Amino acid sequence: AQSVTQLGSHVSVSEGALVLLRCNYSSSVPPYLFWYVQYPNQGLQLLLKYTTGATLVKGINGFEAEFKKSETSFHLTKPSAHMSDAAEYFCAVSAPGGGNKLTFGTGTQLKVEL
Amino acid sequence: GAVVSQHPSRVICKSGTSVKIECRSLDFQATTMFWYRQFPKQSLMLMATSNEGSKATYEQGVEKDKFLINHASLTLSTLTVTSAHPEDSSFYICSALLNRPSTDTQYFGPGTRLTVL
Repeated sequence: AQSVTQLGSHVSVSEGALVLLRCNYSSSVPPYLFWYVQYPNQGLQLLLKYTTGATLVKGINGFEAEFKKSETSFHLTKPSAHMSDAAEYFCAVSAPGGGNKLTFGTGTQLKVEL
Repeated sequence: GAVVSQHPSRVICKSGTSVKIECRSLDFQATTMFWYRQFPKQSLMLMATSNEGSKATYEQGVEKDKFLINHASLTLSTLTVTSAHPEDSSFYICSALLNRPSTDTQYFGPGTRLTVL
């Protein structure tokens, strides 16, 4: 069984500031990890994913995430927030060989202020 | 690449009627598609896995007779909400699985907002 915990349902940052969205997972096998972004009334867009190999993953729009096995974490970061980054962010996990089913966290709403 | 569309984007129907939602992978073939439901301010809940040419696999607690899924081709899956009731009002999102050598990845449609009066 897998689960995902996203700490902080709402995060607010100033434009230009560091963005840090937290994600911790629980999985009985080495997981695949994903970050998706959702804009209002839209579907989800894949930001980045980790499967194997390099633990620091770079995605679109300047986002990156680091897989830390010892901490069971996959936090999402961006050095400098932009107004257009305001959206809902979901962390998700799947198990290799698990039928590609995704288990989502509850989401973090990112607000970017001037 | 990897674009998934849904139609309609919004639908309003009367209680007791049926509504069909289409999910299409526009630039790739998908033997597997997924249907999710999202309540306001909440995460996505997987309803079922749609497999081309075979019966869908439903998650626990999802009524298969109420949410009919048909995956008749490699680019189209449909979700029919039968005898809809106000409690079925929700945001329905589909995804299509793109098979890659490294890992398979789900690409999501823009969602369908269903309102049952």
